[in-house]
Parts: sequence; structure tokens; C-alpha cells
Amino acid sequence: GEDVEQSLFLSVREGDSSVINCTYTDSSSTYLYWYKQEPGAGLQLLTYIFSNMDMKQDQRLTVLLNKKDKHLSLRIADTQTGDSAIYFCAESGGRRALTFGSGTRLQVQP
Amino acid sequence: GAGVSQSPSNKVTEKGKDVELRCDPISGHTALYWYRQSLGQGLEFLIYFQGNSAPDKSGLPSDRFSAERTGGSVSTLTIQRTQQEDSAVYLCASSLGRSSPEKLFFGSGTQLSVL
Repeated sequence: GEDVEQSLFLSVREGDSSVINCTYTDSSSTYLYWYKQEPGAGLQLLTYIFSNMDMKQDQRLTVLLNKKDKHLSLRIADTQTGDSAIYFCAESGGRRALTFGSGTRLQVQP
Repeated sequence: GAGVSQSPSNKVTEKGKDVELRCDPISGHTALYWYRQSLGQGLEFLIYFQGNSAPDKSGLPSDRFSAERTGGSVSTLTIQRTQQEDSAVYLCASSLGRSSPEKLFFGSGTQLSVL
């Protein structure tokens, strides 16, 4: 089965907050990441969190990590139409390559 | 400086033909990754090169898939006897490697369509 799971779709209104959730299985992950993919483009690193932290804030972005439940979330405050994209969470487990989730498509309604 | 460059950006081929996809990583990046993104699916790991170490090929879906990285820089992903289920976007990424956190820089991908 998948190591990293996400819901596939989220729709919000412009100005609302968006919360994208992710669960992972590898408890040895040192860092957990959020990547953003805009249409027709590759992925770009949005933010990351060290596994010993439970929260990280970066402007409109807030990452919450519940290590006990292996649950990661990304909150986007004051969501804008430019935030419409696919958001991938990813975890790193030592020397192997990053494992990505299936991606959550965020649609922002004006 | 230049980012990760992939070519071609689009490739249409007939079932049974071989294809080669190219990736030029960011200069100085020792780690290179290939992922596949199918419609409605997430990113599927294919292969990972790190410096001079043996590549991690654990994600290659069949022996029709192979990849090489020459001189620690450019990489080529080859798919032999293509099948329709190989149709996907093939993404390449590079990173400084062995760093924490590991930040991947992605190319725009090659859209492969097998008819």
C-alpha cells in the first residue's frame, strides 16, 4: 500500500483558510515536506518541517505535525486564486528517495 | 543559474517503440531522481542516483525501464517496447544530496503518450 496518503480534492472560497491533510507510515522520517505543482509545471518545494517540531509557520502557511498519529497538515490562510494547484506531501526515510503522496488538488473559487 | 532541464517536453510514440527521455540536472547537484506521474495518480518513484553509489532502482516497474547517468551529470531514462500504460508525465529532479533537509528541484517533465 501507499506510504503517504492524501485526500484528492479540496475546494474553498477565496479568502477562506485551506487545510490539506496527509498521513504517512515511516516513523523514521527526519523531515516532512510540502510541494506545490502548478499546471504544466514540475513540483516546487513550499515548506518543510523537522520531525522533532510540531508546528512551523511561514507567512500564510502553517504546518502542523502530529508525530504520534503520523499526521501532517498544511494550512493556507487567506487562500487566493493563485494558490490553486496540486499539493503533495512527502517524507524522507534515510538514504532512499523522497516518497510522495498522491497529491491534493486545491481549487479556489473566486 | 539554470534549473533542471528535461527533453523532449512532449513525446508521442507508437506502442512497441523505444523512447529515451533526457534530464540535465542543476550543476553541482549530486543526486538525481526520476518519478512518474500518471493521470489521477501521485508521484511514483522510479530510480535514484546519488554520486558514485549504485543507483536505487527499486521503483522501476519492469525490465523494459532502465536509466543511466553519465559523468555524474546528465541522465537518460529509456523505455523499451513501450506500452499504452507507460503514458504519463516523467519528472526528473535533482538535489545537493546527502543534505538535511533534502530539497528537490524538479524539471517541467516529459509528457509521454503511447498510441
